[in-house]
Amino acid sequence: GAVVSQHPSWVICKSGTSVKIECRSLDFQATTMFWYRQFPKQSLMLMATSNEGSKATYEQGVEKDKFLINHASLTLSTLTVTSAHPEDSSFYICSASVDRITYTTEAFFGQGTRLTVV
Amino acid sequence: DAKTTQPTSMDCAEGRAANLPCNHSTISGNEYVYWYRQIHSQGPQYIIHGLKNNETNEMASLIITEDRKSSTLILPHATLRDTAVYYCIVPTGGGNKLTFGTGTQLKVEL
Repeated sequence: GAVVSQHPSWVICKSGTSVKIECRSLDFQATTMFWYRQFPKQSLMLMATSNEGSKATYEQGVEKDKFLINHASLTLSTLTVTSAHPEDSSFYICSASVDRITYTTEAFFGQGTRLTVV
Repeated sequence: DAKTTQPTSMDCAEGRAANLPCNHSTISGNEYVYWYRQIHSQGPQYIIHGLKNNETNEMASLIITEDRKSSTLILPHATLRDTAVYYCIVPTGGGNKLTFGTGTQLKVEL
C-alpha cells in the first residue's frame, strides 16, 4: 500500500513554544490530507482537513489560529501547534488517500507524532 | 458517517479465527464498510472494505449480511501481533474522511 510518513515521531517542547509536524505522502500525490488527535485511552478525533493550495477546513471546536495547517504541495502537509500548552500534549496523526476517480479510496496513516509539552 | 456499534473488547486464542462483529443498521445503499486497526502507539492501518459482496485479502475476510446492516471481520489465524483496536467505519462521501468510534480491543493470547 501507499506510504505516509510523519516527522518527528516524538517531540518534547516547552510551554509557550511552537511545534511543527510534517506529513508526507512518499509514493503518491494527495490533494487532501487529514489531521487527527488522540488522547490517552481515547479514540482518534478529526481536527481538520488539509487541502492542497487552499485553506484547511477545521472541525467544530478546533482553534484554527492555534493549529496552523499548510498544504503547500501534493505530497506535504504541515501542522503547527502554536503557543503550545500542557493540555496540547497528545498523539497527532495524519492520513492521506490516493486521489482516484473511483468512489472508494482507503486512507493511509502516518505513524503518528507524540507531543509532550512541559 | 453512519453510526456503527462494536463490542468493547474480545479475546482470542493464538492460531484461532477472530471474528469481530459490527452493526451499521443506518447504512445507506451506496456507503461502504471499512475496517482499520490501530496497534498501540501507532497510526491506524487499513485492513479491508466492502459494499455488499464478501471480500478477502491477505489480511482478513469481510462478511457483509444481505441486508447490509451488519458485518464481520474475520482474521483466520490470529497471532499475538494482531492484538489491536479494530475500527469499523462507514464514512459518508467516500473513504477519506473518517470518524472513529471506540472500536473493539482485540487481545490475542497464547
